[in-house]
Amino acid sequence: RKEVEQDPGPFNVPEGATVAFNCTYSNSASQSFFWYRQDCRKEPKLLMSVYSSGNEDGRFTAQLNRASQYISLLIRDSKLSDSATYLCVVNTVDSSYKLIFGSGTRLLVRP
Amino acid sequence: DAGVTQSPTHLIKTRGQQVTLRCSPKSGHDTVSWYQQALGQGPQFIFQYYEEEERQRGNFPDRFSGHQFPNYSSELNVNALLLGDSALYLCASSFRARGLGTEAFFGQGTRLTVV
Repeated sequence: RKEVEQDPGPFNVPEGATVAFNCTYSNSASQSFFWYRQDCRKEPKLLMSVYSSGNEDGRFTAQLNRASQYISLLIRDSKLSDSATYLCVVNTVDSSYKLIFGSGTRLLVRP
Repeated sequence: DAGVTQSPTHLIKTRGQQVTLRCSPKSGHDTVSWYQQALGQGPQFIFQYYEEEERQRGNFPDRFSGHQFPNYSSELNVNALLLGDSALYLCASSFRARGLGTEAFFGQGTRLTVV
């Protein structure tokens, strides 16, 4: 079983749609959680960190459920520029500071 | 302020050859991690360097080795290249003292093709 699993996608949605991505992680000792965005043939960039209380950044809302080991990302009012791959990422508690990535979910926003 | 810079951006090598990739971390960062990203996959952790020592290693063979210099820059070396080593190699830098939740900044990557 992969340490971080994501919806395979691709998600093909019209502009203005609301789309949700899900992610599960296997290590219950994971401590830090992130969503990274990666454009085609580019490097990953931090979209937002994910906190237990949930957090929002403009059109983006991230939620963490530690009991279910589940992370989500909600994008409201999708823009063409949101088209990218969204990577779910966790940090483990063994002080290694390594990031463990899911395989990513591809989002295509069409006009 | 320059971000994370990697060189070269693209590289083509023949099976069995050796390759060295380079990374300069973001100013103020002291920790460098290397990741391998195959097509259609998420990045996979190779290893991490801090204070010029390898601190953590992922599931990669000994053909993958690295180094960190006193100025925090780093190199990734891969010996005896295999076709399966073809991937995007990403360097990420961070500031260790900020802890687990600190953001890691990635370079643009080196795209290695082994033929």
